[in-house]
Amino acid sequence: DAGVTQSPTHLIKTRGQQVTLRCSPKSGHDTVSWYQQALGQGPQFIFQYYEEEERQRGNFPDRFSGHQFPNYSSELNVNALLLGDSALYLCASSVGPTGQGREQYFGPGTRLTVT
Amino acid sequence: AQSVTQPDIHITVSEGASLELRCNYSYGATPYLFWYVQSPGQGLQLLLKYFSGDTLVQGIKGFEAEFKRSQSSFNLRKPSVHWSDAAEYFCAVGQGAQKLVFGQGTRLTINP
Repeated sequence: DAGVTQSPTHLIKTRGQQVTLRCSPKSGHDTVSWYQQALGQGPQFIFQYYEEEERQRGNFPDRFSGHQFPNYSSELNVNALLLGDSALYLCASSVGPTGQGREQYFGPGTRLTVT
Repeated sequence: AQSVTQPDIHITVSEGASLELRCNYSYGATPYLFWYVQSPGQGLQLLLKYFSGDTLVQGIKGFEAEFKRSQSSFNLRKPSVHWSDAAEYFCAVGQGAQKLVFGQGTRLTINP
């Protein structure tokens, strides 16, 4: 049973560029959440997708956008990259956006470096 | 607003010694509480969770945590640490699979 997978593993971009990160949820999961983890910090919630719609959003600018596909996989897009966007981007999947006992399972992350 | 405080940024213990990592939370409703562990360059692995019922919960790798509502705490414990326990530990609060709010993390170093 495959867990949460993310691609690419590492990415180097230049300021002003755009980037797309990808996530495949754990088998049987239908909800995907994205987190940003800056160096030395805890993860911060970006947004959550369920039924191909953004259901909840954290305190991130509109430069951060996402998409969920019918097979439940998801993409995170970041436009006009800033140096401060350098971080580990974590994807987490779960069964349904609400309900009891629904913990989130995390992927290994994508390390984004903006130069 | 939800918040999580992990007062200890870095803790060093000797192999075989006991461990307690502190976590305090602020949340308006009954919280769901989690402890995750992160090895260098890796994602997060769930150690244990508390949703309801018995306030002492057992997790993987010999870890346990105790929920104390009166103190708004959810401290992680292990009776005897192993060198492989060296990692970053994160406490988080959330509700179901809604967004998780994480603490800043505690880095654990094990002395041989």
